[in-house]
Amino acid sequence: KQEVTQIPAALSVPEGENLVLNCSFTDSAIYNLQWFRQDPGKGLTSLLLIQSSQREQTSGRLNASLDKSSGRSTLYIAASQPGDSATYLCAFNTGKLIFGQGTTLQVKP
Amino acid sequence: GAVVSQHPSRVICKSGTSVKIECRSLDFQATTMFWYRQFPKKSLMLMATSNEGSKATYEQGVEKDKFLINHASLTLSTLTVTSAHPEDSSFYICSARGRAEKLFFGSGTQLSVL
Repeated sequence: KQEVTQIPAALSVPEGENLVLNCSFTDSAIYNLQWFRQDPGKGLTSLLLIQSSQREQTSGRLNASLDKSSGRSTLYIAASQPGDSATYLCAFNTGKLIFGQGTTLQVKP
Repeated sequence: GAVVSQHPSRVICKSGTSVKIECRSLDFQATTMFWYRQFPKKSLMLMATSNEGSKATYEQGVEKDKFLINHASLTLSTLTVTSAHPEDSSFYICSARGRAEKLFFGSGTQLSVL
């Protein structure tokens, strides 16, 4: 059974701190891996997509890496801001998306 | 950028009624759309894959007669929850597949069945 695990489940940090969210998956036969942001009661916003042939992607203060051999991906958020508070989901695509349960981030002013 | 519109955002209905949720890709054609369900504080679970012009493919454990999916055009897929019951109350999200396998998500529908 394909599984995606996200650690930690919840994280609270002071504003300005750099942080890393972790995602591990059991199936290395993936097309790509995506990181999403979900605000309470809302849909998903795609943050970064890493193709299976790539190792990282960057967008602004966000950097995502992919290591297929170890089945891991990380999302690095630099200089966190209160507006970054949300749930972050990773999902790997094997033809359909398998989601992790998310990391709920709270950035305190 | 690509936009997916999902409507309604919130619906409250009586037990036994049917509810239709629409998912539209506004500025691109989507031959494939996906429907997810999310329970509170849980991850999204794929319910079914909707392909334009053909029958949807349902995930194991999802009742196809309960959750009717229609994908009649390249920009519209609908999910109908038939004879809704309180246990069907959930957050439903659709997504449409764009270029490079990237998925674009609707804003979700919160269904509450009384």
